[in-house]
Amino acid sequence: NAGVTQTPKFQVLKTGQSMTLQCAQDMNHNSMYWYRQDPGMGLRLIYYSASEGTTDKGEVPNGYNVSRLNKREFSLRLESAAPSQTSVYFCAIGTSGRLRTLYNEQFFGPGTRLTVL
Amino acid sequence: KQEVTQIPAALSVPEGENLVLNCSFTDSAIYNLQWFRQDPGKGLTSLLLIQSSQREQTSGRLNASLDKSSGRSTLYIAASQPGDSATYLCAVRRSTGTASKLTFGTGTRLQVTL
Repeated sequence: NAGVTQTPKFQVLKTGQSMTLQCAQDMNHNSMYWYRQDPGMGLRLIYYSASEGTTDKGEVPNGYNVSRLNKREFSLRLESAAPSQTSVYFCAIGTSGRLRTLYNEQFFGPGTRLTVL
Repeated sequence: KQEVTQIPAALSVPEGENLVLNCSFTDSAIYNLQWFRQDPGKGLTSLLLIQSSQREQTSGRLNASLDKSSGRSTLYIAASQPGDSATYLCAVRRSTGTASKLTFGTGTRLQVTL
């Protein structure tokens, strides 16, 4: 997981509280992604950013917002947390666009374990 | 919609055994396929990446094959060791789009016993 950092590692929220998950990379990759991982569901894409200044919805975007602050940082915000958002959240990075010849391999951060009571 | 299936969901083998993990996908129009390892409570570590034009990739005791036309990939682990115990995930990438979005399988949990 070298090159991708996530904060915090653990968080417990009460229903209705808000919080922001932070992700930063030092690999100079264009694309950044937020996934959630739930038992029996696999990893599902929440939002992604193909490059600085752009963001797009993934498979399960409801209840989340994102900000691509700069090339290094991509944050995920829960405005009003719900128990259904209890999950492990992973940030990932990868190449895109004209760098597709570099195989588009994705690299993952260590994850944030979130519990919403 | 692309669906990725991994069978079996769990597997236990004695140390030293060779084993094969399976991954199947419903839409053969993929750009590439990536195998990951995930240790309990940890993030994902990329193991192998196979482009759609390739048949296989090797790294040490790991060999991944891809048959795009039949929608299948296998991960072969030779001479398994207890340190190989982890969950193995496969993910496929669509052919189109400006960002390389992945669709994941639910994983195979491998335990290698002494």
